[in-house]
Amino acid sequence: GAVVSQHPSWVICKSGTSVKIECRSLDFQATTMFWYRQFPKQSLMLMATSNEGSKATYEQGVEKDKFLINHASLTLSTLTVTSAHPEDSSFYICSASNVADRGFNQPQHFGDGTRLSIL
Amino acid sequence: AQTVTQSQPEMSVQEAETVTLSCTYDTSESDYYLFWYKQPPSRQMILVIRQEAYKQQNATENRFSVNFQKAAKSFSLKISDSQLGDAAMYFCAYRFNTDKLIFGTGTRLQVFP
Repeated sequence: GAVVSQHPSWVICKSGTSVKIECRSLDFQATTMFWYRQFPKQSLMLMATSNEGSKATYEQGVEKDKFLINHASLTLSTLTVTSAHPEDSSFYICSASNVADRGFNQPQHFGDGTRLSIL
Repeated sequence: AQTVTQSQPEMSVQEAETVTLSCTYDTSESDYYLFWYKQPPSRQMILVIRQEAYKQQNATENRFSVNFQKAAKSFSLKISDSQLGDAAMYFCAYRFNTDKLIFGTGTRLQVFP
């Protein structure tokens, strides 16, 4: 149980294009999902908190217009990297918490990540 | 602001031996949660163990245990009887009263046969 599916797992595209990454909770509902970015051999940096039915909350330094987040249902959040450039190349990971879980000691469930390469 | 520090970028251990990974954190809160996550080469994040700050007893999960020192703000992970499959990046993480996780910089663990 508690599976989070992230798609695509790997994408290569040309500079200037927009790329959409999906994060789905397959067997639970998630009012909140999280988007992280991870550079090689570095830690996960939280980019934004995706809230179902409302605007995402972005961390300091993250461009809202660059990284568009939509959380239209209780099982799907999308991250769109707009007008992507080589510096946007990175590993992007999403996570979700089950609305049925009580307490903040309950784990977040992570997707397998998306490797984004911008040429 | 809360921060999480892992001072060991890399550690190595021989198979069947024991290794301890260090983690310290900074917070002014009294009630929070701590986690250790493992990230193997597949890059999937796997929860290893978790600890509630209000619990004095150290958490254990099979070969994995923690040494939680609340006053010192220290949360180390001990891996006993290390196995080749334990080789991975290990991240310490902190959570307060939101879902948001704050991760440390990670420790790469190598396991030698």
